[in-house]
Amino acid sequence: ILNVEQSPQSLHVQEGDSTNFTCSFPSSNFYALHWYRWETAKSPEALFVMTLNGDEKKKGRISATLNTKEGYSYLYIKGSQPEDSATYLCAPILTGGGNKLTFGTGTQLKVEL
Amino acid sequence: SQTIHQWPATLVQPVGSPLSLECTVEGTSNPNLYWYRQAAGRGLQLLFYSVGIGQISSEVPQNLSASRPQDRQFILSSKKLLLSDSGFYLCAWSPSGGLEQYFGPGTRLTVT
Repeated sequence: ILNVEQSPQSLHVQEGDSTNFTCSFPSSNFYALHWYRWETAKSPEALFVMTLNGDEKKKGRISATLNTKEGYSYLYIKGSQPEDSATYLCAPILTGGGNKLTFGTGTQLKVEL
Repeated sequence: SQTIHQWPATLVQPVGSPLSLECTVEGTSNPNLYWYRQAAGRGLQLLFYSVGIGQISSEVPQNLSASRPQDRQFILSSKKLLLSDSGFYLCAWSPSGGLEQYFGPGTRLTVT
């Protein structure tokens, strides 16, 4: 069983704050890492797919970095807005894993006015 | 463009009743297909995946089964539901050989 840990479990910030979350995963046999954004009553929305050590991806105010050697990824949100409120999930894929995602339990973000 | 459909959106079923959830994908061929579940208070867990018609891999022992009768159709079934089968069920697809996975709208199942 692949152990994927996300921290913090939940986070409350004020509008305009910048924030970041962590995803930790086993570094051996790493192939790729997905980040998803999941709003209540909706389907998960893909944010990033990352494969290379040191990779950094950006989408608007959201960015992510990847360290495959030590087995972690950071997701950053700059200037949080209420519409950023959601659960953020990471899911690594291992080599030979057949593109199967193993999700962490997520970080639940609430951005308050 | 590709779209993924799931139905029903919500379902309330008594314990011991059968279950059939359907997922279809449009606009692509030979996709990989997946069923996930989020049980109350738990993370999103992969239940089944399929790389082709009639090819099903089960990830966890459970009361459920999956079938893929057609290339773009994936069905989740149970002969007799348990209370523990309650949860939010998501179907997903990925291009064969691709990394991205795209999720359907989900089905909220409540077993009473």
